[in-house]
Parts: sequence; structure tokens; C-alpha cells
Amino acid sequence: DAKTTQPTSMDCAEGRAANLPCNHSTISGNEYVYWYRQIHSQGPQYIIHGLKNNETNEMASLIITEDRKSSTLILPHATLRDTAVYYCIVRVDQGGSEKLVFGKGMKLTVNP
Amino acid sequence: GAGVSQSPRYKVAKRGQDVALRCDPISGHVSLFWYQQALGQGPEFLTYFQNEAQLDKSGLPSDRFFAERPEGSVSTLKIQRTQQEDSAVYLCASSPRVPDTQYFGPGTRLTVL
Repeated sequence: DAKTTQPTSMDCAEGRAANLPCNHSTISGNEYVYWYRQIHSQGPQYIIHGLKNNETNEMASLIITEDRKSSTLILPHATLRDTAVYYCIVRVDQGGSEKLVFGKGMKLTVNP
Repeated sequence: GAGVSQSPRYKVAKRGQDVALRCDPISGHVSLFWYQQALGQGPEFLTYFQNEAQLDKSGLPSDRFFAERPEGSVSTLKIQRTQQEDSAVYLCASSPRVPDTQYFGPGTRLTVL
């Protein structure tokens, strides 16, 4: 699986949009970009995933660049409850190895 | 609906004891995964089941670690002769089909004294 690079940490003001970047320059054509987050003392929570097109759900939006070498997770109106470690992961979705390879993630702190 | 559940949530063991950690996946989910998360690190893959078949155990750190899922639903991760370096949070995840999004349980925090 391709590796990802994320900033170590980021701060955001409550109510503002939080834009979380991720670089995955070695991503292959059949690898999906997944985002999870982990709030202290809880298991990772699935947020969103995508292959080529931008995706949106009730939690967030995922913007993937045309060359697929980077992506941005957008939390449109950050709240204090969005403070967590965010993991950007690339994974092949064609059977075989199903495991997720987590890095250290990025700590997002939403400030009041 | 009910998510992935794990028990116990916390376990303290003396070095050398055997422990068993239980995972109840979401009903009907085909795939089940175990991950280990050391303090301050991201989760690391241990093993993967598709129904009752253990298809990947490449992440198990030693032969003291053993996982089973005999009826293709509940899974147990067993650690024999625990050592201090086994202290971690053990996470279970399940997904409805192959391949698909994984949904995680709350984890079991194991502390080996």
C-alpha cells in the first residue's frame, strides 16, 4: 500500500472549516483514499473514502486532486467534538490484503 | 444498529498470565480484523478473518498470539505468557463484505504488570 504524509498537528477555530491535507504521491490507480479519526480512548471512526471523484457525506467532504497525489478532508463547520487524531490511509480495494496501514495521523485541535 | 463490541474494556494481567480478548462484530459482517495500538502510535494490523477462515496472520508478533473465529462471528484473541511489551489497546474491526469499509470497536486496553 502507498504511504501517506500528514502534518503532525493543526488547530482550527470552532465554527470554521477545517481543511486537513494528505499527500500520497505514490498512490496506484486502484488504491482508495480512506479517512478515519480517533477520539481519545475510542476506536477509530470511519469518516469517508474515495477513488477519483470528490465525495461528500454527512460528516465531511473529500477533495482528491486530479493526479490523485494528494487529498484534503474538509470538515465544513468544526466543533469541539471534532478534536481528534485524523488518519489518511490508502488501500487497495480489489481483494487480497484487506488490512489498513495506519501512520501516526494528524492531531486536530478545535479551539473555542 | 449495534456496532462492534469488545470485552473486557480493560484488562490488567501479571507478566506470564494468559489473557483472552473477545470481539463481537456487527451481525452479518463477513470480515473481521484485529489491530494492536501502542501508546501514541497508530493501530497496527495483527490478523484478518473472512468468515471462519484466518486468511492473514502476518501481523501477529509472536507465537504467543493466537486468534480464532470458529463459527464466523465472535472472535477471540488470546495472548499466552503475557509480557510487558504486550501492553497496548487491542482493536477489533469488521466489514460487511470483501472488500469494504472497516468499522471499529472501542478496544480493550491491556496492561501487563
